[in-house]
Amino acid sequence: SQQGEEDPQALSIQEGENATMNCSYKTSINNLQWYRQNSGRGLVHLILIRSNEREKHSGRLRVTLDTSKKSSSLLITASRAADTASYFCATDPPDQGGKLIFGQGTELSVKP
Amino acid sequence: ETGVTQTPRHLVMGMTNKKSLKCEQHLGHNAMYWYKQSAKKPLELMFVYNFKEQTENNSVPSRFSPECPNSSHLFLHLHTLQPEDSALYLCASSKGRQETQYFGPGTRLLVL
Repeated sequence: SQQGEEDPQALSIQEGENATMNCSYKTSINNLQWYRQNSGRGLVHLILIRSNEREKHSGRLRVTLDTSKKSSSLLITASRAADTASYFCATDPPDQGGKLIFGQGTELSVKP
Repeated sequence: ETGVTQTPRHLVMGMTNKKSLKCEQHLGHNAMYWYKQSAKKPLELMFVYNFKEQTENNSVPSRFSPECPNSSHLFLHLHTLQPEDSALYLCASSKGRQETQYFGPGTRLLVL
């Protein structure tokens, strides 16, 4: 399996519910980033968490990082239909000169 | 709007055509990137430029030829492409190599 694998691959929830997406990776990292992509569009940066941080918040987003388990989670609280998109984690390994390694993403569908 | 623009947004070309994709960033960033996003696959980094110098070529076939005339502009010249090159081509920029990357909307390329 590859660096930056998201789980689940697809998630369907009702508006107002919370959505949790997970990301696992294999090597050490400088930081881990979460991006969002609406269908066929560019990626939008959501949040960056550094390897010495454990949790970060931004609005309705909460990201955790557990470097001992090489995993991260993205929680979207009180989801909205507009949150429907694909969500990707990207890792920045220390020996890659800033090269981001993306996972395949989680497709989130929020039904009104 | 992320401050990164790409043109054209859609492109259909035959295998014998020559075309170019253009990316422009208005963020004063020093690093620029080309990514390829194929269906059901993670984003693949193709090229990296830092201060106009190419610092990474991810074993990309020579039918893809990048050009970075200045820190604000990045081109991807295409010639004799194959149908499997059909994908969404994304440009990104960042202040430095280990900083947050900001993506353009992408060019949807179809090779017939």
